[in-house]
Amino acid sequence: AQTVTQSQPEMSVQEAETVTLSCTYDTSENNYYLFWYKQPPSRQMILVIRQEAYKQQNATENRFSVNFQKAAKSFSLKISDSQLGDTAMYFCAFMDYTGTASKLTFGTGTRLQVTL
Amino acid sequence: DTEVTQTPKHLVMGMTNKKSLKCEQHMGHRAMYWYKQKAKKPPELMFVYSYEKLSINESVPSRFSPECPNSSLLNLHLHALQPEDSALYLCASSQVSLGGNQPQHFGDGTRLSIL
Repeated sequence: AQTVTQSQPEMSVQEAETVTLSCTYDTSENNYYLFWYKQPPSRQMILVIRQEAYKQQNATENRFSVNFQKAAKSFSLKISDSQLGDTAMYFCAFMDYTGTASKLTFGTGTRLQVTL
Repeated sequence: DTEVTQTPKHLVMGMTNKKSLKCEQHMGHRAMYWYKQKAKKPPELMFVYSYEKLSINESVPSRFSPECPNSSLLNLHLHALQPEDSALYLCASSQVSLGGNQPQHFGDGTRLSIL
């Protein structure tokens, strides 16, 4: 079974600053997919960014980018120019494919607070 | 606006009641999922449907009964629930592809309270 670890339960960043959320995982698979989701107080899980393990290039989506280190099994999320709307719970997730369906395994989450 | 719609948003029920949670999507996705999320915890997978057939049941108690009547609709029937079943129930959907790399899109969830 895959495991996903987020070692930072809570983080705080000032508006316009940069913050990095860490995530490590454990798997014996060679090809897999990793995701970051955010969950604001409104409850909806929103996809932030995804990374295919076979791609060496780090994924980027506007202010969000990842640092994917496959050998180290590390998948951190960098948020640049933080905005108040980035305040949310952030979950790192590993996608498993069983042949008929895919499964997401989530980390325990990092609560990010963006302050003025 | 979410493209996965869950109803109701809140549900309070007694342990002897029977109720159902509903999830609907019109994105043409053929995989649908139920997750359970306790407060301050990550979502935990309960069931996966692929092409309207149950693909994964994560050893969920039989008091939870899923149903996928068509490709757009997913239900979760509840009966004789326990207080520990109080949680946020999230529905998600995704495209089905070889290698299973498609992201899942989530609804807003149903917050369930068992008295």
